[in-house]
Amino acid sequence: DAGITQSPRHKVTETGTPVTLRCHQTENHRYMYWYRQDPGHGLRLIHYSYGVKDTDKGEVSDGYSVSRSKTEDFLLTLESATSSQTSVYFCAISTGQNLLINSPLHFGNGTRLTVT
Amino acid sequence: AQRVTQPEKLLSVFKGAPVELKCNYSYSGSPELFWYVQYSRQRLQLLLRHISRESIKGFTADLNKGETSFHLKKPFAQEEDSAMYYCALRGPSGGYQKVTFGTGTKLQVIP
Repeated sequence: DAGITQSPRHKVTETGTPVTLRCHQTENHRYMYWYRQDPGHGLRLIHYSYGVKDTDKGEVSDGYSVSRSKTEDFLLTLESATSSQTSVYFCAISTGQNLLINSPLHFGNGTRLTVT
Repeated sequence: AQRVTQPEKLLSVFKGAPVELKCNYSYSGSPELFWYVQYSRQRLQLLLRHISRESIKGFTADLNKGETSFHLKKPFAQEEDSAMYYCALRGPSGGYQKVTFGTGTKLQVIP
């Protein structure tokens, strides 16, 4: 499992509240990703990081922010949760360092978020 | 822009029948293609990648650049193959950092 832990595993929150999801890795991999998984949409990239304090947007980044203050943690924040953000969120890492070719993603167990 | 298309949401086959899960991609250049699998209540895991030209759990996939396809095949389906399958693409644009997934195909193997 490449030492990836996501927390919490389940979260129910109300519309308008802030929510932070945590992804923790134990192997000092440089690249980390946040995806959301929704029926009919597959996995869509929210944000990714290529190093401490280095992040970039994915295809569905609106309403989300991320932070990576240390190598092992990548935080995903919903500043003001909406019902459309009800989803399963997956963190992933890429085990490549400077060369990503032939370096697949390894996923965490996911966080199921429900916004009521 | 890189794009992955999996035209089938659900594929039902009988045990012992051949399986083909379709994947087409849109990318100019030489992408890397992957298949990931998600069994019920488990995390996504890599099944195979085109560059390795390997066979995992009896599955194979060949990259066809002319047809921009990377279909997943297995000659004889087993019940334990029932799962969600995702095709994914990574390209040199942006240094191979972004991985784009298709919408997934649910494979249901009927006993």
